[in-house]
Amino acid sequence: ETGVTQTPRHLVMGMTNKKSLKCEQHLGHNAMYWYKQSAKKPLELMFVYNFKEQTENNSVPSRFSPECPNSSHLFLHLHTLQPEDSALYLCASSQGGTGKETQYFGPGTRLLVL
Amino acid sequence: DAKTTQPPSMDCAEGRAANLPCNHSTISGNEYVYWYRQIHSQGPQYIIHGLKNNETNEMASLIITEDRKSSTLILPHATLRDTAVYYCIVRASDYKLSFGAGTTVTVRA
Repeated sequence: ETGVTQTPRHLVMGMTNKKSLKCEQHLGHNAMYWYKQSAKKPLELMFVYNFKEQTENNSVPSRFSPECPNSSHLFLHLHTLQPEDSALYLCASSQGGTGKETQYFGPGTRLLVL
Repeated sequence: DAKTTQPPSMDCAEGRAANLPCNHSTISGNEYVYWYRQIHSQGPQYIIHGLKNNETNEMASLIITEDRKSSTLILPHATLRDTAVYYCIVRASDYKLSFGAGTTVTVRA
């Protein structure tokens, strides 16, 4: 148990659905991250939030919409996804957002887009 | 961030120490060595990190050579639950964690 929780753990959705992934950290951290991990591909950083402000967006398609209402919660809103978006979506958090801090990951949400 | 080289796989007997090597010959002076592991279909788990000195915590020990061009992660008493992919990363101040292929460690009873 790392102190970072993600729900749901598994999600199956059609291309026309709208769903949201939730991440919560109980570590008192102030930076949160979304990563995508596809089969046989490197870990891809998607978004970074530092003190609720988005500080990085790595050219992620607009069908992925992040939301960070406070330092403990992070959401990833999904709409009109494609089958190639099927992957493990990982949330992480760290104390501070300078890029030097250790990141702690949640268990991930396994997403399947049909 | 500097590139790392790890063996693709290794086996280890349960109860024995597992020594996982990592080469990072182009590491810069301000880059830390980090180790994470990932059990199948779960999120990566932080293990340990260090800059120059050897480090130890409740999970593992990290031995960094004096020239910092290589390091070894030591799991002192491997258990079946230590079966995972282990990633060695060097990073300075970049948000992005770049995981390579890692070493697939299989602990056998």
